[in-house]
Amino acid sequence: KAGVTQTPRYLIKTRGQQVTLSCSPISGHRSVSWYQQTPGQGLQFLFEYFSETQRNKGNFPGRFSGRQFSNSRSEMNVSTLELGDSALYLCASSPMGGGNTEAFFGQGTRLTVV
Amino acid sequence: TQLLEQSPQFLSIQEGENLTVYCNSSSVFSSLQWYRQEPGEGPVLLVTVVTGGEVKKLKRLTFQFGDARKDSSLHITAAQTGDTGLYLCARLPNTGFQKLVFGTGTRLLVSP
Repeated sequence: KAGVTQTPRYLIKTRGQQVTLSCSPISGHRSVSWYQQTPGQGLQFLFEYFSETQRNKGNFPGRFSGRQFSNSRSEMNVSTLELGDSALYLCASSPMGGGNTEAFFGQGTRLTVV
Repeated sequence: TQLLEQSPQFLSIQEGENLTVYCNSSSVFSSLQWYRQEPGEGPVLLVTVVTGGEVKKLKRLTFQFGDARKDSSLHITAAQTGDTGLYLCARLPNTGFQKLVFGTGTRLLVSP
């Protein structure tokens, strides 16, 4: 069974640009969550999608958005990039989401904003 | 805001040594998970603990959930170089949403 796939693995963007990251969950998983990991703030929840609907959102500005497609694949978009957006962005999938269920993480996309 | 404090932040030990990592919160957990993250990879689930006082073992790793469900510990016996990584505790939501709140992390380096 293929794991969670995130593309691209590495990305360099300039301040002010926008970026789109992609996540393909494990086949059959309907919940996709996104996290940002930085040395200073650690791992922080961005948002979760389930059946194409955003179910939960973390405390990030509106520049961070996402969507989920009918095949459960998800994308997240960051507009007007800032230097502080440099981070490892991780996607996690789970069958239904919710308490006590395992989240399977992808390898992440390392975004560098210069 | 980090709701889960882990200690120590960094740990550098020799192969064969024992170690304990702690995860503490000011509020009660419904349940808690421990993950290990290796460089260049995403976190991988090690264990889920649900009941206060629960102890779970995974080979050389022993996980304990505090009686009051506000703290947890991970003890590694006879550490190996393959144990090197970032250890993260994470609080699970009470709701049906998938939203993990992660601890500050403990970076472990096991040298031969």
